[in-house]
Amino acid sequence: SQTIHQWPATLVQPVGSPLSLECTVEGTSNPNLYWYRQAAGRGLQLLFYSVGIGQISSEVPQNLSASRPQDRQFILSSKKLLLSDSGFYLCAWSKQLGYTFGSGTRLTVV
Amino acid sequence: DQQVKQNSPSLSVQEGRISILNCDYTNSMFDYFLWYKKYPAEGPTFLISISSIKDKNEDGRFTVFLNKSAKHLSLHIVPSQPGDSAVYFCAATTNSGSARQLTFGSGTQLTVLP
Repeated sequence: SQTIHQWPATLVQPVGSPLSLECTVEGTSNPNLYWYRQAAGRGLQLLFYSVGIGQISSEVPQNLSASRPQDRQFILSSKKLLLSDSGFYLCAWSKQLGYTFGSGTRLTVV
Repeated sequence: DQQVKQNSPSLSVQEGRISILNCDYTNSMFDYFLWYKKYPAEGPTFLISISSIKDKNEDGRFTVFLNKSAKHLSLHIVPSQPGDSAVYFCAATTNSGSARQLTFGSGTQLTVLP
């Protein structure tokens, strides 16, 4: 069966520090991968998606970047965090119509 | 521009009664709709979906209705249980571009009172 792993679960980082969130998928090949963010009191906003290794599409301009170094690995990064980067980050994978989300990372930038 | 809207941020219902969660959309190209349930500090989990060629889909206590002419869908939960208390997200997708992307509403916090 397919599983998705996302870590860490919580993270507190100072403003200006770098960020690296990792997501891996098991049990499938060539999935579409996504990073979403849920800001406080708001819905889920798509940040990046990837249809293959090295292929990244960005949905909104922001202080973050994404990379897909391997088929089942998706990384969300920032060189310098801003206060506004705080939120709940979710990785997801899909094939065809089904979407499966990871357990999320609560990022607090202080 | 919010293409998927959930205008009720919260809803409280008595245990055993019906919960009705509403969702409106503006993009007529959406052809598949999904409902997700989310507990705090967890990722959303898939609940039920409906294709635009149907107007109803039922799965146990959960039924989703789609009114294409009104660009409106709703999720009915009958009977509601305290464990149903969570944030419910409506999502929509269209078969265009290189990957199906979900567009989410802002969510409705459902509280089922015992």
